[in-house]
Amino acid sequence: SAVISQKPSRDICQRGTSLTIQCQVDSQVTMMFWYRQQPGQSLTLIATANQGSEATYESGFVIDKFPISRPNLTFSTLTVSNMSPEDSSIYLCSARTSGGAKENEQFFGPGTRLTVL
Amino acid sequence: GQQVMQIPQYQHVQEGEDFTTYCNSSTTLSNIQWYKQRPGGHPVFLIQLVKSGEVKKQKRLTFQFGEAKKNSSLHITATQTTDVGTYFCAGRYGGSARQLTFGSGTQLTVLP
Repeated sequence: SAVISQKPSRDICQRGTSLTIQCQVDSQVTMMFWYRQQPGQSLTLIATANQGSEATYESGFVIDKFPISRPNLTFSTLTVSNMSPEDSSIYLCSARTSGGAKENEQFFGPGTRLTVL
Repeated sequence: GQQVMQIPQYQHVQEGEDFTTYCNSSTTLSNIQWYKQRPGGHPVFLIQLVKSGEVKKQKRLTFQFGEAKKNSSLHITATQTTDVGTYFCAGRYGGSARQLTFGSGTQLTVLP
């Protein structure tokens, strides 16, 4: 299994500022993802973080707004840029293990609860 | 786009009653996964179903994948208060490189 940590766990930010969320996995994983979840809602995939190259963004999400880095197999960052109140949400880092019988099992971090005033 | 529909959205049961949540896709899935998210927590992987008609059990939980690989269900027998949470199905279309599409989730409340 993989244990994922995120920081910060929560933050309250002013409109127009940016916040970078860090995600650390305790083992090498094949893929890392960033999701957004509104309270009581389902998970929406923002992007797949690719090691050493640009992230792959889902429809409705763009690099200028959500720049993502993944410098190695166990670490990734998501920046929420030029924030507005509509960006208030829980941001979840997720990773998929590499190899083994549970190769497709996907793990989630504890999430970062962002409030934009 | 491809969507996974999940019902019901909410379910309240008395402790000891059974519970079932259903997921449906308009197109064939390559596999489907189920997750549980406790209130205030993050999604935790429960199981993956791959084969047509597959049935898997985990103690009081029974997972089924339809013959056409377009629908799936999670059934909990004799619910307990520890079963409280939101249950999500997540389907994958195409190969393992494709991403998961999450259903809307079923929020289960178990009344003691």
